[in-house]
Amino acid sequence: QLVLTQSPSASASLGASVRLTCTLSGGHSSYAIAWHQQQPEKGPRFLMKYNSDGSHNKGDGIPDRFSGSSSGAECYLTISSLQSEDEADYYCQTWDTGRVLFGGGTKLTVL
Amino acid sequence: EVQLVQSGAEVKKPGESLKISCKGSGYSFTNYWIGWVRQMPGKGLEWMGIIYPSDSDTKYSPSFQGQVTISADRSISTAYLQWSSLKASDTAMYYCARHVEGELLVVQWGQGTLVTVSS
Repeated sequence: QLVLTQSPSASASLGASVRLTCTLSGGHSSYAIAWHQQQPEKGPRFLMKYNSDGSHNKGDGIPDRFSGSSSGAECYLTISSLQSEDEADYYCQTWDTGRVLFGGGTKLTVL
Repeated sequence: EVQLVQSGAEVKKPGESLKISCKGSGYSFTNYWIGWVRQMPGKGLEWMGIIYPSDSDTKYSPSFQGQVTISADRSISTAYLQWSSLKASDTAMYYCARHVEGELLVVQWGQGTLVTVSS
């Protein structure tokens, strides 16, 4: 059964880059993934949809600092030129035979 | 502008019933799966279920099957999440979410409805 696994926390310095990982297990590795951001005390926001062919579609107003990639069963969200407002929880999400799955989320701290 | 607008916060007592709503606008409501996600205080996102408004095909997470009912009224572009008998453990923020056409990937979120169940 497909499961999405994310590290509970990550940290990086202001202005630096960080790569968040979402690992797919229990199924095949060719899935499209969505990434969502949830800033403190706010609702989730759709960041991007990353397709298994390497293409991606971003949500409205999402800056170029946010990018997606993958390698095998791992999908990545890279945030460059970190800003204070990037401090948030980040969730990956996919689907499998009629059910929706979320990763447990990664809490990103900007130092 | 594509929007999902949810109904306001609710405070209920255990055993009471509740129906919260999510109105879609700016897109063809019937042609996209729309679902509900729970977020308990301090916790992550939990998928509850989805509905395809065109034919009311509904799928539930095993964790929520039998605990809630998801429905939709195509005539007013509104999806619903309903409880027949609330428990204190239902206290959470509930988000509706629209999926991309042809895939069950969330591409839009409602603003959330806070449900508080307390005696």
